[in-house]
Amino acid sequence: AAGVIQSPRHLIKEKRETATLKCYPIPRHDTVYWYQQGPGQDPQFLISFYEKMQSDKGSIPDRFSAQQFSDYHSELNMSSLELGDSALYFCASSQGTSGSFNEQYFGPGTRLTVT
Amino acid sequence: AQSVTQLDSHVSVSEGTPVLLRCNYSSSYSPSLFWYVQHPNKGLQLLLKYTSAATLVKGINGFEAEFKKSETSFHLTKPSAHMSDAAEYFCVVSDRGGSYIPTFGRGTSLIVHP
Repeated sequence: AAGVIQSPRHLIKEKRETATLKCYPIPRHDTVYWYQQGPGQDPQFLISFYEKMQSDKGSIPDRFSAQQFSDYHSELNMSSLELGDSALYFCASSQGTSGSFNEQYFGPGTRLTVT
Repeated sequence: AQSVTQLDSHVSVSEGTPVLLRCNYSSSYSPSLFWYVQHPNKGLQLLLKYTSAATLVKGINGFEAEFKKSETSFHLTKPSAHMSDAAEYFCVVSDRGGSYIPTFGRGTSLIVHP
């Protein structure tokens, strides 16, 4: 069965650079979620999109932005990178309407290292 | 606001012995509860979920969990641990008070000794 695809799987950037992470949800899933997991930490919700509109916002820094495109894939753009942005970034997708919980399927994550 | 507490940061068992990973939750609504497993350098995999149906939930790989409203608990168990069960386990709660955005516990690291 198709799963959530994230690219790249690994990314190394320097401070103050920008990074773009991509997420391709499971076919027919219309909702995408982004999470950040720091070393030894639990995943922290960043932002979600339903039907190409932002649906919920968590602890996402102002330096980060995201969007969902017409094909439902999503991109997380990160600017002015800081050392503390080094983390595993997960994308998850689900199928369903905004305002209700539907089982989330997680991608393998993108490991971002900022040097 | 919803919250979840995993009572143990590390649990160590011998192969073939029972596993118990403890999770307590707080929710003002009827919550949905989940257990996810994360193997090293891997993504999160759903083990099982409770969404107001049967209180005893069976998941993959022989795991199960029981929703106990009176104790606000959702402990994860397995009768016999395998070496391949060694991983990080996350208890997750979601309810409409939090706009259904899942709240993760801090995780429990399961160590399995031969």
